[in-house]
Amino acid sequence: KNEVEQSPQNLTAQEGEFITINCSYSVGISALHWLQQHPGGGIVSLFMLSSGKKKHGRLIATINIQEKHSSLHITASHPRDSAVYICAGRPPSGSRLTFGEGTQLTVNP
Amino acid sequence: GAVVSQHPSRVICKSGTSVKIECRSLDFQATTMFWYRQFPKQSLMLMATSNEGSKATYEQGVEKDKFLINHASLTLSTLTVTSAHPEDSSFYICSAVAQETQYFGPGTRLLVL
Repeated sequence: KNEVEQSPQNLTAQEGEFITINCSYSVGISALHWLQQHPGGGIVSLFMLSSGKKKHGRLIATINIQEKHSSLHITASHPRDSAVYICAGRPPSGSRLTFGEGTQLTVNP
Repeated sequence: GAVVSQHPSRVICKSGTSVKIECRSLDFQATTMFWYRQFPKQSLMLMATSNEGSKATYEQGVEKDKFLINHASLTLSTLTVTSAHPEDSSFYICSAVAQETQYFGPGTRLLVL
């Protein structure tokens, strides 16, 4: 069992749909990152959160520390949102991240 | 936000040659940088932690004599793949730490023929 697990592994949606990607972790963390990797390979850090909820544009990330669970939501999805979304946990000390396997999102027009 | 660059973005080399990849933090200083490798359809795999002014810390199974890391300054870390073989072909990504956040470079795609 991976220390950080994501679901689903693959997700296909129609433009405009509301999307949710889930992340569960079994290790102690001080913060959880949501990353976006486009087909070209570059990685963008979307959120880093340790509690509650953060919002940036159409993206919303939530975390429940007690349940060791985080979700990434995309409202009004668009084809340009197509990418791999990765959650990663940061340990209580140090900066080394533990990565989930990633969720491949495809948004069709 | 903080910017990390990598050079080159893509490199093709012959088997047996060495390839150097640079990772720079452009607008901040980073005492710690990470080097990752990513194979197709897989997640990032940490290779080593690069610490400015000291030796890198390598993950289990990563040959330190094959993947040489030099963190010469607070804004530059280099990864040299020595005597490259086709199985070293991969996507190499670095990240630099600033204020507890990792900022990722755009990656370097290495193809060894």
